Amino acid sequence: DIQMTQSPSSLSASVGDRVTITCRASQSISRNLNWYHQKPGKAPKSLIFAAFSLQSGVPSRFSGSGSGTDFTLTISSLQPEDYGTYYCQQSYSIPITFGPGTKVDIK
Amino acid sequence: EVHLVESGGDLIQPGGSLRLSCAASGFTVSSNYMSWVRQAPGKGLEWVSSIYRGGNTFYADSVKGRFTVSRDASRNTMFLQMNSLRVEDTAVYYCARDGDTWRANDYWGQGTLVTVSS
Repeated sequence: DIQMTQSPSSLSASVGDRVTITCRASQSISRNLNWYHQKPGKAPKSLIFAAFSLQSGVPSRFSGSGSGTDFTLTISSLQPEDYGTYYCQQSYSIPITFGPGTKVDIK
Repeated sequence: EVHLVESGGDLIQPGGSLRLSCAASGFTVSSNYMSWVRQAPGKGLEWVSSIYRGGNTFYADSVKGRFTVSRDASRNTMFLQMNSLRVEDTAVYYCARDGDTWRANDYWGQGTLVTVSS
């Protein structure tokens, strides 16, 4: 199984800050890396698929990069509604696996 | 507009069975890849099962042999039959549609809570 790790596990940032979350796969997954955002008590929402493609309707302050084993999610200017937990997911092979999540708080 | 609605979650004793439903609108379930993902209380996301467009099914090791995913084209609905339930199966269960090429879960339902407890 492909193991996914994320760092940091949590962060606190101010509105307007640039935020970067990293995700690492235990083996190469090409571009098969997806990012999700989940607010407490709500279903996850798809942000980015295929490492850097923005889902329809997702604000352009979100961007993704990377390939192989190392990936990054960047929020260029953090907004109040961006609090919650961010998960990466590899869809390269079964079993599909998620990272443990990065919790983002707004200062 | 794409919409997914899960139902069937309940409080069930260990060893019991439950069937979850995922009713879809705005697209055709049988023409898409679909998945179940669960989240135990206070924990992260865990992939449970997928059913491919052609009907192939896949399962996490933790549920293999106990859970069965299926779909009913006439009802545009996906199901998850869960047997021999364990305390560790307690979670919110989400259904999701998978994108065609890269298999990201592009649409999610609101989730249904399954509690396994005596």
